Amino acid sequence: DTGVSQDPRHKITKRGQNVTFRCDPISEHNRLYWYRQTLGQGPEFLTYFQNEAQLEKSRLLSDRFSAERPKGSFSTLEIQRTEQGDSAMYLCASSLSWFPDTQYFGPGTRLTVL
Amino acid sequence: ELKVEQNPLFLSMQEGKNYTIYCNYSTTSDRLYWYRQDPGKSLESLFVLLSNGAVKQEGRLMASLDTKARLSTLHITAAVHDLSATYFCAVMKTSYDKVIFGPGTSLSVIP
Repeated sequence: DTGVSQDPRHKITKRGQNVTFRCDPISEHNRLYWYRQTLGQGPEFLTYFQNEAQLEKSRLLSDRFSAERPKGSFSTLEIQRTEQGDSAMYLCASSLSWFPDTQYFGPGTRLTVL
Repeated sequence: ELKVEQNPLFLSMQEGKNYTIYCNYSTTSDRLYWYRQDPGKSLESLFVLLSNGAVKQEGRLMASLDTKARLSTLHITAAVHDLSATYFCAVMKTSYDKVIFGPGTSLSVIP
């Protein structure tokens, strides 16, 4: 399967714990995006990378969130000191930076904070 | 700030009927996308529209773009149950900017 993959698919954690998610994009895609989606809402932009450079981070993203994309390949999203409000589906998408730059989404990681 | 709105948010329609979903956005954009999401699943790309007057069709779905009105439509022709899903439009302001999604339209096609 050459699509976008995410790991884990589900994560249950206790409030205050740290969690890390991984995303592997389509191999030739140089852009990688992270979104958060809650029930009944559209995906909310968190951050994105072009190659290894993080080009933008949402103002809604607190300092507890950090993302990396070492060597411009896979990416990790870490949430420190999780809160119940962090419970959501975290989606990763990848694309080319030239047309067609359609984003292809991974299956998502569902986070539940107890 | 770029905002994207969709209308309606919920749509229940009978099989065989036609209907249109509307997507309005607040500032000029370079790209408009339509995605489909089935319950519990990730997003599937349907269309990307670039220029004013662009029209794309795939099966029973047709998307169009009016950049002057900042409006895109997704027209459903002769709906079938398999089209039941949530449809999102999304807008990219420039080719180096983030993509902003609308709230989605939850479509149920009833036999």
